[in-house]
Amino acid sequence: ETGVTQSPTHLIKTRGQQVTLRCSSQSGHNTVSWYQQALGQGPQFIFQYYREEENGRGNFPPRFSGLQFPNYSSELNVNALELDDSALYLCASSVSGGTGGFYEQYFGPGTRLTVT
Amino acid sequence: AQSVSQHNHHVILSEAASLELGCNYSYGGTVNLFWYVQYPGQHLQLLLKYFSGDPLVKGIKGFEAEFIKSKFSFNLRKPSVQWSDTAEYFCAVQKNYGQNFVFGPGTRLSVLP
Repeated sequence: ETGVTQSPTHLIKTRGQQVTLRCSSQSGHNTVSWYQQALGQGPQFIFQYYREEENGRGNFPPRFSGLQFPNYSSELNVNALELDDSALYLCASSVSGGTGGFYEQYFGPGTRLTVT
Repeated sequence: AQSVSQHNHHVILSEAASLELGCNYSYGGTVNLFWYVQYPGQHLQLLLKYFSGDPLVKGIKGFEAEFIKSKFSFNLRKPSVQWSDTAEYFCAVQKNYGQNFVFGPGTRLSVLP
């Protein structure tokens, strides 16, 4: 088990609603990355936070936003939910210098979001 | 755009059979390479990683992988699989000094007892 925790475990929302997912990073890790894993696919990078600022973003619209707090925990917010947002959302923490480099990511168990 | 492909969607083997899962990537620069495993109902776990040096890397649970730069490949191997190896396996590539990982679509491995 890694020290990365996510809440909630499961969530059901209606199209058009907003959702907030939470992640606590492993002790000593200063960087958090969020991924979306649709059923039967590999994780897709959403964005990364380092020192409370966005430090890279994948091909996701602005209605996907995030925050990182001084204790390095993080939130993923999704506005105006669409049916295609149904997926497993993974948080990964790591130690980095912010400009990249070689580092491992440690994944949490994920939040399963279902949009109806 | 950088992409990662995995040759097989679903592999079915009997216990003690040998395993090789293919992974190819499209990025031409320096990369870091990873294999992650996702057991049923569990989170992604790192099996092994390649940053530099010896292209044959050994990971946990008897897995190994070979980086062949000329073929842009990083295939995963295990000489003798066990029923407990049943899981989804993901290859991931990180560009040198990149912020994110690019994952392949995954290969589901089913090992029959």
